[in-house]
Amino acid sequence: QVQLVESGGGVVQPGRSLRLSCAASGFTFSSYGMNWVRQAPGKGLEWVAVISYDGINKYYAGSVKGRFTISRDISRNTLDLQMDSLRPEDTAVYFCARAPDWGVFDSWGQGALVIVSS
Amino acid sequence: DIQMTQSPSSLSASVGDRVTITCRASQSISRYLNWYQQRSGKAPKLLIYGTSSLQSGVPSRFSGSESGTDFTLTISSLQPEDFATYFCQQSYTTPYTFGQGTKLEL
Repeated sequence: QVQLVESGGGVVQPGRSLRLSCAASGFTFSSYGMNWVRQAPGKGLEWVAVISYDGINKYYAGSVKGRFTISRDISRNTLDLQMDSLRPEDTAVYFCARAPDWGVFDSWGQGALVIVSS
Repeated sequence: DIQMTQSPSSLSASVGDRVTITCRASQSISRYLNWYQQRSGKAPKLLIYGTSSLQSGVPSRFSGSESGTDFTLTISSLQPEDFATYFCQQSYTTPYTFGQGTKLEL
């Protein structure tokens, strides 16, 4: 069955960097677009970034553009999110999500908590 | 960015009730509207995609429809496991945007 497992979350100071990973299994990773979606504590869902199945096309939310970088490694079946210049407002649970079609998230990981605090 | 406005923000209902949640887009999104269910402390789950297509494994008591820029999620007969928060989301264009959520409570 489809499985997505995030890792790399933790507590980080403002201005520092953190890298999240999502290990994918149970499906042909190279055939699907992949996304990151976040949820601040007690708040709604916010889409963060998408990468196409072939890794060529990448799009970002305005709130993270220029600070976050999405990437994928087909050989390791992993999705990454490099987060630089972190701000307190980036504090959230970060979910990776599979997209069989652009913008449709049919499978989600359990989430990784990122806390940005001094 | 396309704004998605959901109503109501919370809703009290009972097992067996028919419930409707509405989502309005700030501009035309064709039929690129999806619905998710999120139980407390869990990841969201896709229920409906493309306005009215039922995701595999989702019970048929869930349905979706649209009228212009207004979209509706209907649960025909509430079950105990349906008490959760529901989000709409447009997949018409990036940045993909979600409604603020509707908390369905007993």
